[in-house]
Amino acid sequence: EADIYQTPRYLVIGTGKKITLECSQTMGHDKMYWYQQDPGMELHLIHYSYGVNSTEKGDLSSESTVSRIRTEHFPLTLESARPSHTSQYLCASVGYSRSYNEQFFGPGTRLTVL
Amino acid sequence: GDSVTQMEGPVTLSEEAFLTINCTYTATGYPSLFWYVQYPGEGLQLLLKATKADDKGSNKGFEATYRKETTSFHLEKGSVQVSDSAVYFCALSPNQAGTALIFGKGTTLSVSS
Repeated sequence: EADIYQTPRYLVIGTGKKITLECSQTMGHDKMYWYQQDPGMELHLIHYSYGVNSTEKGDLSSESTVSRIRTEHFPLTLESARPSHTSQYLCASVGYSRSYNEQFFGPGTRLTVL
Repeated sequence: GDSVTQMEGPVTLSEEAFLTINCTYTATGYPSLFWYVQYPGEGLQLLLKATKADDKGSNKGFEATYRKETTSFHLEKGSVQVSDSAVYFCALSPNQAGTALIFGKGTTLSVSS
């Protein structure tokens, strides 16, 4: 069973609010990722981190920011939410064992911006 | 670069029908291959995997065989249930250790009773 957690699971907020989506994992993985999932269910990588104090932007441009101060924690922040940010956000981590990469996902945060 | 192509959905079936979701890949070297499933309102979870050519991954009645000659990893199930309704993602793992998997666009399966 995956040990990766996201909070909140659902969030409805007004335009202009600052929000932080939390993600944590207890597997000791260095590499963590944030995806935005579009209505057609395709996954788009928006941020990733290869370890503490390492963060990079992903393939899809996003107005969000991330930080990685501790190995287990990878929060995503929106400084000023807009309706276009309404989406499902998935956090993931990757470990390497038995000669292949294994990726684990959190349950997701469903964000609605009014 | 590496990529995964899977059949577009939605796929709509009646209960007990046979399911095939096609997946092909492009990769350098010998990637590991995966199918993930996402039930409504949840994150993705690993359904099955195959780490080398000719391996067959299986779980919950689903199967997929790693075919190097056709670069394919098609998902099959002999008799689907309503509870199988979900989104299915094919993915490959690049050879570089610790690298994120590369996912297909997902195929939505809807099973009716």
